[in-house]
Amino acid sequence: GENVEQHPSTLSVQEGDSAVIKCTYSDSASNYFPWYKQELGKRPQLIIDIRSNVGEKKDQRIAVTLNKTAKHFSLHITETQPEDSAVYFCAASKSGNTPLVFGKGTRLSVIA
Amino acid sequence: DAGVTQSPTHLIKTRGQQVTLRCSPKSGHDTVSWYQQALGQGPQFIFQYYEEEERQRGNFPDRFSGHQFPNYSSELNVNALLLGDSALYLCASGTVMNTEAFFGQGTRLTVV
Repeated sequence: GENVEQHPSTLSVQEGDSAVIKCTYSDSASNYFPWYKQELGKRPQLIIDIRSNVGEKKDQRIAVTLNKTAKHFSLHITETQPEDSAVYFCAASKSGNTPLVFGKGTRLSVIA
Repeated sequence: DAGVTQSPTHLIKTRGQQVTLRCSPKSGHDTVSWYQQALGQGPQFIFQYYEEEERQRGNFPDRFSGHQFPNYSSELNVNALLLGDSALYLCASGTVMNTEAFFGQGTRLTVV
């Protein structure tokens, strides 16, 4: 089955700097890659996603890139703010509403 | 428009007891998936319900069972609770044609 590895497990950046979180997946049939942000005690919130027919997607300060050949995808956050501090999870799934397989998460701390 | 709602928010049970958790999907959604999130880990897929049937199942024992009702709401039942069942249980709803998943706020289950 699918296996998703996520790095780093913790990341500290200065406010205004960029943050990059990387994930690799094992199943070449996976074609949907969402990213979730989970603040302490709250639900995972979908912040951006990308499908296999696209190499990059951007939404304001957040971007995701996908390399299907290498089977890895990354989350990029620019101009980080203290409110970006949270745990971020990557996930992968195949089409047709198959289950999401999550990475173990990255705890991002943005230091003011 | 209400999002995905879960009840109760917190629950404490004793080993060996049984528990039922509830989920109402987002309006317009017809699939419900349940995930278990242990402390410091990513969510793990338990099972998914569509058209009142279990469609897919993760690597969880038969002690974990569920149900979906005609109004698309769902229940997760866990029998013979173990200490290791302590976790945040998340419900995610979606549509059968779309891989996007939206999570509820979760039920924090503590087994003592």
